[in-house]
Amino acid sequence: QQQVKQSPQSLIVQKGGISIINCAYENTAFDYFPWYQQFPGKGPALLIAIRPDVSEKKEGRFTISFNKSAKQFSLHIMDSQPGDSATYFCAASNSRGSQGNLIFGKGTKLSVKP
Amino acid sequence: DVKVTQSSRYLVKRTGEKVFLECVQDMDHENMFWYRQDPGLGLRLIYFSYDVKMKEKGDIPEGYSVSREKKERFSLILESASTNQTSMYLCASSLSRQGVVGYTFGSGTRLTVV
Repeated sequence: QQQVKQSPQSLIVQKGGISIINCAYENTAFDYFPWYQQFPGKGPALLIAIRPDVSEKKEGRFTISFNKSAKQFSLHIMDSQPGDSATYFCAASNSRGSQGNLIFGKGTKLSVKP
Repeated sequence: DVKVTQSSRYLVKRTGEKVFLECVQDMDHENMFWYRQDPGLGLRLIYFSYDVKMKEKGDIPEGYSVSREKKERFSLILESASTNQTSMYLCASSLSRQGVVGYTFGSGTRLTVV
């Protein structure tokens, strides 16, 4: 019940296309859903996050869509650019829990072809 | 600029050696974490700490130990390095306040055990 399942494992998108990465969870106590972006040789960095009181959050070309009833959330990257090529991790936590450790998905390696 | 600093970017150690990986954060965060990252397996939690001198086992603690003598420093110890511990090791920190769960990661230490 603590798992976060992420798909696909890898994704190739043409420049200008839309990249979509999906995550699913089981624990209904989760109330914080961040996405992390990791470039080669770097640690993951927080990209965008959402709480379940909204169904969508947009920051520039990056959008999180959240479906509470389906227990799913997804990252959409509009107008994908070669500079977006990175590994993306979704995560979830119960922020009201004792310490709110993040549970990470296994990651998606995105390659954007010029 | 606030950050998490890992002392080494690359390390090569021999089988059976005792290995110390150091992590320092300058954000006065209560929580600190050690992960290992392997292709296809994502981020796996080794150990974490909520306070000085406190430690908790993560998902894969076998073969590792940790030390947290000061709030800003969290060390990962490989008691007797083995080749299956060749990996990327990531340190992270976060505030403990409920509702604030964003992690800040270091750039990682790539350890090779020969």
